Amino acid sequence: EVQLVESGGGLVQPGGSLRLSCAASGFIFSDYWATWVRQAPGKGLEWVANIRQDGSEKYYVDSVKGRFTISRDNAKNSLYLQMYSLRAEDTAVYYCEAGHAADYWGQGTLVTVSS
Amino acid sequence: QAVVTQEPSLTVSPGGTVTLTCGSSTGAVTSGHYPYWFQQRPGQAPKTLIYDTSNKHSWTPARFSGSLLGDKAALTLSGAQPEDEAEYYCLLLYSGPWVFGGGTKLTVL
Repeated sequence: EVQLVESGGGLVQPGGSLRLSCAASGFIFSDYWATWVRQAPGKGLEWVANIRQDGSEKYYVDSVKGRFTISRDNAKNSLYLQMYSLRAEDTAVYYCEAGHAADYWGQGTLVTVSS
Repeated sequence: QAVVTQEPSLTVSPGGTVTLTCGSSTGAVTSGHYPYWFQQRPGQAPKTLIYDTSNKHSWTPARFSGSLLGDKAALTLSGAQPEDEAEYYCLLLYSGPWVFGGGTKLTVL
């Protein structure tokens, strides 16, 4: 069974840091680009970042450049998002996605940035 | 970064046909944007319906189809079912960052 399971979300103060993880199983994770997408409460989807199969290319939405870092460990079938200098507007459910054509999505992990 | 536009809301009658569109602030949407369409029901993760303009996944109901319509990407639902009531998002791939549209809330009524 194909699964993407996010973890690492929680409550963090403004200016704080958090590292999200996404564990993949049931497919060859290393074959595909992988992506983080977020959704603020009651809002639409926002593409955050993605990473090439071998980690050699990474792209970010402007609002997180310099604050977030996407990475992966293919040996552990895992995707990560290191988030620094968090702001209230980063509050969202964070989804990981991978596959040939966005085939697979996790169920999301909630990040709340609040004092 | 580019802005991707969708109708905020649409209504379709059960059994009816509706077309959702997806435009780009940079100009015409082409196959080179590899348009994607996603369905999201309340409280659930998104589900990918269409990729690369018109390709379907194995789980995509046959009543959904994707195309280019004028200068936009389009998702057509033919024979709407009550379970199709959901939010629909398009995604366009630009060189580097990808951009979602704001979503269309589809009501089946």
